[in-house]
Amino acid sequence: SQTIHQWPATLVQPVGSPLSLECTVEGTSNPNLYWYRQAAGRGLQLLFYSVGIGQISSEVPQNLSASRPQDRQFILSSKKLLLSDSGFYLCAWEAPGGAKNIQYFGAGTRLSVL
Amino acid sequence: QKEVEQDPGPLSVPEGAIVSLNCTYSNSAFQYFMWYRQYSRKGPELLMYTYSSGNKEDGRFTAQVDKSSKYISLFIRDSQPSDSATYLCAMSASDYKLSFGAGTTVTVRA
Repeated sequence: SQTIHQWPATLVQPVGSPLSLECTVEGTSNPNLYWYRQAAGRGLQLLFYSVGIGQISSEVPQNLSASRPQDRQFILSSKKLLLSDSGFYLCAWEAPGGAKNIQYFGAGTRLSVL
Repeated sequence: QKEVEQDPGPLSVPEGAIVSLNCTYSNSAFQYFMWYRQYSRKGPELLMYTYSSGNKEDGRFTAQVDKSSKYISLFIRDSQPSDSATYLCAMSASDYKLSFGAGTTVTVRA
């Protein structure tokens, strides 16, 4: 069966510091991968998605970037965090081809920028 | 106007009651409809998936889609305290992008 791992679960970072959140998927090959940010009462905002190694599409211009160095690894980064980057970050995977548009989520990382 | 509208609640019901949740949407191209359940400080988990219009039942859960009215519903029968969570509707057209509702917070009182 497929599993998705995200770490760390919680992170507190000072303003201006770098960020690296990692997501890995097991049990499938060539998944579509997604990064979302969830704000309280505002649903999920799609940040990046990837259909393959090195292929990243950005949905929202911002202080963040994403990379996919391996087939089942997706990384969310920032060079300098802003207060507004605080939030709950979720990684999701979807079966290759995405015919049914079903996405499965990791446990999330709660980021607090102080 | 948001693409997907969902009443954030909160909704509080006694144990054993029927929970009724719904979302409305504006994009007539949506054809894949999902409900996710999210416990506090956890990631969303897929609860129900429906393609196009109609009803789908899975145990105590029933999902309904009415594309003519652009309206989807989730019913939880014989609700339990363990059903206390935030429920998110999500939908998509034929592309990769899911559009989410804001989520409805449900509390089932023992």
